[in-house]
Amino acid sequence: DTAVSQTPKYLVTQMGNDKSIKCEQNLGHDTMYWYKQDSKKFLKIMFSYNNKELIINETVPNRFSPKSPDKAHLNLHINSLELGDSAVYFCASSPALGGIGVKLFFGSGTQLSVL
Amino acid sequence: QKEVEQDPGPLSVPEGAIVSLNCTYSNSAFQYFMWYRQYSRKGPELLMYTYSSGNKEDGRFTAQVDKSSKYISLFIRDSQPSDSATYLCAMMEGGSEKLVFGKGTKLTVNP
Repeated sequence: DTAVSQTPKYLVTQMGNDKSIKCEQNLGHDTMYWYKQDSKKFLKIMFSYNNKELIINETVPNRFSPKSPDKAHLNLHINSLELGDSAVYFCASSPALGGIGVKLFFGSGTQLSVL
Repeated sequence: QKEVEQDPGPLSVPEGAIVSLNCTYSNSAFQYFMWYRQYSRKGPELLMYTYSSGNKEDGRFTAQVDKSSKYISLFIRDSQPSDSATYLCAMMEGGSEKLVFGKGTKLTVNP
C-alpha cells in the first residue's frame, strides 16, 4: 500500500485553466503539507495542515487554495494557471506538527506543465 | 545569504568510495537536522535525523552536526550504485513547524 499517494502523476494544461491535485495518506498522520519543487530542484513549503486546520501559508498566491476534507486528505486547487506554476508538486505527511515529530513522508509528486 | 547552502554538485564517484555531502546554514536557531534522499522522478525519503549537535550512524550512513560551525555532513561508506540519487539536507528551528531544505546534491556512484 502506498503511504502517501497523489494524483495525477502528470498534468499538462493551458495557461488560464483551473486544475486540482489530490493527496491521500494512510499513515494515520495528523499533519499534511504541499511542497513545490522548481526546475532547479529547490523544494519549498507552500502549506501545512494539522487536523484539517491551516497552519502554514507560505506567501503563496491566492490562486492556490488547499482543501482538507479530513485529516487523511489534502487537495490543492490552482486557479488561472500561469507559466511560472510549472513545477513538481509534492504532498507530504508527518506524525506531528512540530519538533521531533516532523518527519516528512512524501508522495511521488505531480509534474505540472503549463503551456 | 540563503538560510541553507548546499553544493548542487554533480558529484561522481566510483563504487566503494567514501562520499561526503555537506550543508552550511546561517540560522543559529536550527535544532533539527535531516537528510533526505530523492531518486529520479520520486519523492524525497527521510534518510537520517539528528537533534542538536553530534553524530548519528545507521549502517553505511553517518550524519554529523557541528552547530558551532553551522555545518552538517552526511558520510556514505562503501558507496553503491543504488546510492545514486539527489541528497537534500533539511533543518528546522525548535518550536517551528517549517522545514527548510537545501537545494540538493546530485550523486552518481559508478560501478
